[in-house]
Formats: sequence, C-alpha cells, structure tokens
Amino acid sequence: DAGVIQSPRHEVTEMGQEVTLRCKPISGHNSLFWYRQTMMRGLELLIYFNNNVPIDDSGMPEDRFSAKMPNASFSTLKIQPSEPRDSAVYFCASSSQGWREKLFFGSGTQLSVL
Amino acid sequence: GESVGLHLPTLSVQEGDNSIINCAYSNSASDYFIWYKQESGKGPQFIIDIRSNMDKRQGQRVTVLLNKTVKHLSLQIAATQPGDSAVYFCADTTGNQFYFGTGTSLTVIP
Repeated sequence: DAGVIQSPRHEVTEMGQEVTLRCKPISGHNSLFWYRQTMMRGLELLIYFNNNVPIDDSGMPEDRFSAKMPNASFSTLKIQPSEPRDSAVYFCASSSQGWREKLFFGSGTQLSVL
Repeated sequence: GESVGLHLPTLSVQEGDNSIINCAYSNSASDYFIWYKQESGKGPQFIIDIRSNMDKRQGQRVTVLLNKTVKHLSLQIAATQPGDSAVYFCADTTGNQFYFGTGTSLTVIP
C-alpha cells in the first residue's frame, strides 16, 4: 500500500501566484480530506469529499481557495492568488468511511508564499 | 465549537520509562477517539483508536484509556524509546468532524 501521496513536498512562490497542491488517496478509500497545519492554529479541516463530492467546505478560508476531486484517485487544492498568510503545511488524508474510521495522512506540502 | 485540549504541551521522559500523555475533550457526545503521532517533517500517523463503548484498548506498547465520566483520554507508551520522540495528537469525532488537540511534544532522553 503506497499510502496517501501528495505533491509537491515543498512549494515556494511569490504573493499573487497560483498554487496547486495535489493528492492521491489510498486506493479504495472513498473519503478525502484537506487539512492545513500552522503553529498558531494547529490542524484545521479545509474541505471534505465523500465519493468525489464535496460534503463540507466550511473550512475553506475564502474564495481564493478551491478544491476539486475529478475522480476517486485524485484531488487538487488550488490557491489563487496566494498570500503570505497562506504559508503552512497542507495535508491530504483519506479514509474508508468518512468520519467513522481513522484518517491516513500524506506527508504534506510545505507552502511558503513570499 | 467543540474542543479537544491537552493538559501538557511538552513531556520529557527517560528512555525505558513509561510515558503518559493526557487529553481532555469537551463534547460528551463524542463517540470515537484517535491518537496520532507526528514526527518532524511528516504527516500525522495513526497509533491507536477507541470507541466510546470501550474504556481501554491495547496495541503494541501503547494503551489508550477512556474515561467518559470526566471526558478524559490518555495514551500510555510502555518502555519509551528514542523513536517515540514526536508530537502526539488526540482527536475526537461525533460523526461530524474530527477535532484535533494542539498536541503534546514528547522528548525521550537517552
């Protein structure tokens, strides 16, 4: 089992640029989550998909953030335009039964917006 | 909203000793709890989980205790090793969302 795969591992960009983070969940998992981790706020849920459909996006900070899941094996989180305050580690996680089973996390994308 | 909090932000233990990491939760309706370990530069890694119909669950060198009366969760690590040094998070869910605590940093002293 390859686990949850995220890319890139590190992203450095300038303010105003578009950033796209990618995630491949564990095969067979039907739920996918995007989290953001910062020292100040810890782990925050951004959005949750179930069977490729966004179920809860109340954690998405603002319209600059968008997420898609075109199929069961791929999801993207896009920030456009990026701002320095978006700097954080972004994690993707998947599970086999939404909130009823443990989440498996990827290694994260360290985003730095200059 | 609901919150999951940790009593101690840092914990240092001698190698070979047992470690106990505590966690308080506020939502009495929470029915599923998980402990995660996060090493530097990595994503949270599942350690052990427990459902509200249990008060104890054991894994390999780890035990989770759940006290629903006082809404308290603990993670016990037996014979702590240097590789156990990490940040440990508890998380609870009512079936709506996972709420993560702020984490306890465990340092194992050789």
